[in-house]
Amino acid sequence: EVVLTQSPATLSLSPGESATLSCRASQSVVRYIAWYQQKSGQAPRLLIYEASRRASGIPARFRGSGSGTDFTLTISSLEPEDFAVYYCQHRYNWPLTFGGGTKVEIK
Amino acid sequence: QVQLMESGGGVVQPGGSLRLSCAASGFNLGDFGMHWVRQAPGKGLEWMAVMTYDGKSEYHIEYAKGRFNISRDISKNVLHLQMNNLRSEDTAIYYCARIHRSGWDYLDSWGQGTLVTVSS
Repeated sequence: EVVLTQSPATLSLSPGESATLSCRASQSVVRYIAWYQQKSGQAPRLLIYEASRRASGIPARFRGSGSGTDFTLTISSLEPEDFAVYYCQHRYNWPLTFGGGTKVEIK
Repeated sequence: QVQLMESGGGVVQPGGSLRLSCAASGFNLGDFGMHWVRQAPGKGLEWMAVMTYDGKSEYHIEYAKGRFNISRDISKNVLHLQMNNLRSEDTAIYYCARIHRSGWDYLDSWGQGTLVTVSS
C-alpha cells in the first residue's frame, strides 16, 4: 500500500500570501497524484490531477508539481475562499490512498 | 449536469447491516468507474471500493473485504455499497464519487455524502 504523508499538518497564512503544501509517497507513484480541496461540511473538490493538470474550472493560482515520491501544491495569493483542508491522492495501484491532509487556516 | 445523491445512511447497532445507494444523473454508470470514499468524524478521507466502468472489476480496501460489497444497477443508474457486520469504527460520512473523464481514477464528481453511525 502506498502511504502518502502530507506536511505541514496546518499552515497559518494571511490572504494574499502563497501556500506551499507537500505530499510525499512511500514509493514512486510516477505522476499519478491528485489534489483535493475540502471545506467544512462539503464534499471534496478535485483541483489537480496527474500531478500538474488543473481540473475544470480551477483557477490558475492553484499549481501542482512533482514526480516520483515528492509532490507540491502551490496556491499563489490566497483568496478568502481558499482556506480549507487539502488532500493528496494517488492512483498508482490498489488500494487508492489519501494523505492525511493539510489545513490552510487564516492567520 | 452530473449529480450524485447518496442515501441509506442512518444509525445501526454493531453487527448490523446497511445498504447505501448512490443515484447518478447526467451520465451513465456504464461509462464511468465509480468509487466509495468515507470520512470518519473529524478525520481524513479513506478510499473504500471501486467498480470499473464495464462492471467487470471491483476492488475493496483490504479490511472491508468480506464485509462490504460494491455493486450497481445499470437499469436504474444506481451504485450500491452493502455493508455487513458493522463496527463502531465504520461510523463515517460515506461519499460516492465518479472518476475523471480521462478514465483515470481521480474523483471529479462527488455526492453530498450519507452519514452512517454504528452505535448501540
